[in-house]
Amino acid sequence: EIVLTQSPGTLSLSPGQGATLSCRASQSLSSTYLAWYQQKPGQAPRLLIYGASIRRTGIPDRFSGSGSGTDFTLTISRLEPEDFAVYYCLHYGSPQYIFGQGTKLDIK
Amino acid sequence: DVQILDSGGGLVQPGGSLRLSCGDSGITFSTYAMNWVRQAPGKGLEWVSLISGSSGKTYYADSVKGRFTISRDNSKNTLYLQMNSLRVEDTAVYFCAKAPYYGSGTYAALDFWGQGTLVTVSS
Repeated sequence: EIVLTQSPGTLSLSPGQGATLSCRASQSLSSTYLAWYQQKPGQAPRLLIYGASIRRTGIPDRFSGSGSGTDFTLTISRLEPEDFAVYYCLHYGSPQYIFGQGTKLDIK
Repeated sequence: DVQILDSGGGLVQPGGSLRLSCGDSGITFSTYAMNWVRQAPGKGLEWVSLISGSSGKTYYADSVKGRFTISRDNSKNTLYLQMNSLRVEDTAVYFCAKAPYYGSGTYAALDFWGQGTLVTVSS
C-alpha cells in the first residue's frame, strides 16, 4: 500500500516569502496521478495542481508543482495572506485515493 | 458554476445508522465518479468510498468496508452514503467530491467538493 508523507508538518513563514512543501511516496508513482489541495478552516479542500505540475484553471501562477517518482514538491513563490492554510497531496488514478497527512502553512 | 450540497449529518449513538446525501446541480452528474471523503476533527483527509458514473461499480476504504454502502440515483443527480454499525471513530465531516473518469479503470483528481456534513457518533 502506498503511503504519502508530507514535510514539514508545520511551516511558519511571512507574507512575501517563498514556501516549499514536500510529498514523498513510499513507492514510485506516475506523476500523472499526483495532486495538491489547499484547505482553509471550515472549508472544503480546493484543487490547486494535478498531474504533479498542471495548475488548475483559475489558480494563481505563484503556485507550482514539480517532481517525479517518489518526490513531489509544491512551491508557492510569494506568499499572500490568503495562502496560509493546510496543504495536502493526493495520489489518484486507481479507485483508492490516498492523501498525505498535510502541511500547515502558518503566518510567522 | 457547479453546486454540490452535502446533507444528512447529525448525532447518532454507537451502533446506529445514518444516511448522507449529496445533490449536484451539474448537467453531467452521470458521467462523473462520485466519492465520499471524511475528516475527523482536527485531522487530515481520508478517502472513504467511490462509485463509478454509469456502471455503479463501488470501492471502499478498509476502515468502512462491510458497514458503509455508497449508491447514486442519476435521475435525481444525487449521491448517497448509508452508514451502519457506526463507531465513535467514524465521527468526522463527510465531503462528497466529483472525479472525472479517464477510462480503463482510471479516475482523475477530485475536482469539485461539497461543503461537508458533520457526523458525530457518541453516546
